This record gives sequence, structure tokens and C-alpha cells, in this order.
Amino acid sequence: DAGVIQSPRHEVTEMGQEVTLRCKPISGHDYLFWYRQTMMRGLELLIYFNNNVPIDDSGMPEDRFSAKMPNASFSTLKIQPSEPRDSAVYFCASSFRDRGSNQPQHFGDGTRLSIL
Amino acid sequence: GIQVEQSPPDLILQEGANSTLRCNFSDSVNNLQWFHQNPWGQLINLFYIPSGTKQNGRLSATTVATERYSLLYISSSQTTDSGVYFCAVERDRDTGFQKLVFGTGTRLLVSP
Repeated sequence: DAGVIQSPRHEVTEMGQEVTLRCKPISGHDYLFWYRQTMMRGLELLIYFNNNVPIDDSGMPEDRFSAKMPNASFSTLKIQPSEPRDSAVYFCASSFRDRGSNQPQHFGDGTRLSIL
Repeated sequence: GIQVEQSPPDLILQEGANSTLRCNFSDSVNNLQWFHQNPWGQLINLFYIPSGTKQNGRLSATTVATERYSLLYISSSQTTDSGVYFCAVERDRDTGFQKLVFGTGTRLLVSP
């Protein structure tokens, strides 16, 4: 079975440009999560969706960040305009609930983003 | 919010040695996962273990939720075990809220 698929794997762009990260969750999973990993802050949750609806975006750093999930098999995380401090690895994860019990989250390979 | 502490922060082993990694958490949790982040940056699921003991090959894990800790055992370590091991916990099952809070990790280096 295909896991969580993220694209691109690497992105290098100049400050001020728009960046779009993409994620395809595992089929049948109804929860999707976006995380960011930095040396300073470790792994932190940015936002998560349930049934394509954003549930908690309290981790989104500022208005330059936005996330969408137009359907069950696709989500985007957009940064506009990008800044050097946004450089990090961004992970997407997905999971589901089974009879009221949360199941483990499965992570994609991440997108390594560098803003020059 | 909940605090997740992992120890030791760094560990160096000779190939073939055994080790125990610890994860302490500050509040009741409903779920706990162990991950291995390999040198390529991939986060690999090791265990989903809200309580009890599980084994997978040379790895095993035990969570004692009532005492708020989990242990990851690595036996007969191999160089491919190198990387960072993360513990992550989750709360608020009643509301269906799924938020994993990660520890700071244990960095493991296994030398040949």
C-alpha cells in the first residue's frame, strides 16, 4: 500500500516567493496533519484536518501560512510570501479513528524547504 | 500543555550492544508512538503503544501509562539503528482531538 506522499522532496526558493507543498494521505484515512521540524523547535503541529475540514490551526505561525484540503486525497500548505526563517522540513501525516480509538499517525518523507 | 521528556539525549553504542531509551510525560495520555528518524530524515513508525508491551524483531517497547513513562529497548544494535528516536504522545480522545506532542528525541549512533 502506498504511504503518505509528499511533493516536492526538496524546494529551494528566494525570499518573497510563494511556496506550495503538497500531500496525498493514505487512502481511507480521514485525519490529515501538517508538521514542521526545525532545530530550534523540534517537531511541531501546524494544522490538522478531519474529513477535509480544518479543526485546529493554532500552530500555524502567522498569516503567511495557509492550508487547504479540497478533497479526501489532497492537501496543500502554502507560504506567501516566504521568508528565510520558514526554512525547515515540513511533514504531512494521516490517520483514522477505529471504533472511537485513535490509530497511529503515518508520516510522509517530508519536504525540505530552503528560503534564500 | 503536556511535557514529553526523553533520555538520554545522546547515546553512542558499539555494534551488538543493547540499550534502553526512556520517555516521560507529564499528564495522562491516550496514545503513544515511537518513531525512528533515519539519517535521510524519514520518520518511521516503530510502535503504537498506549499501554502494555510490544515486540518487533530486535526492538520492543513498554508503556506504563499510570506511571507516565514508556521505554524502548534495542537489542543487538546495528549501524542501521543510528538516527534519532522520538516519543510522541496524544491526549483528549474524548473529543476526537488528535494532536501528537513530540519529545526532543534521543540521538543514537551505533559504531561498527
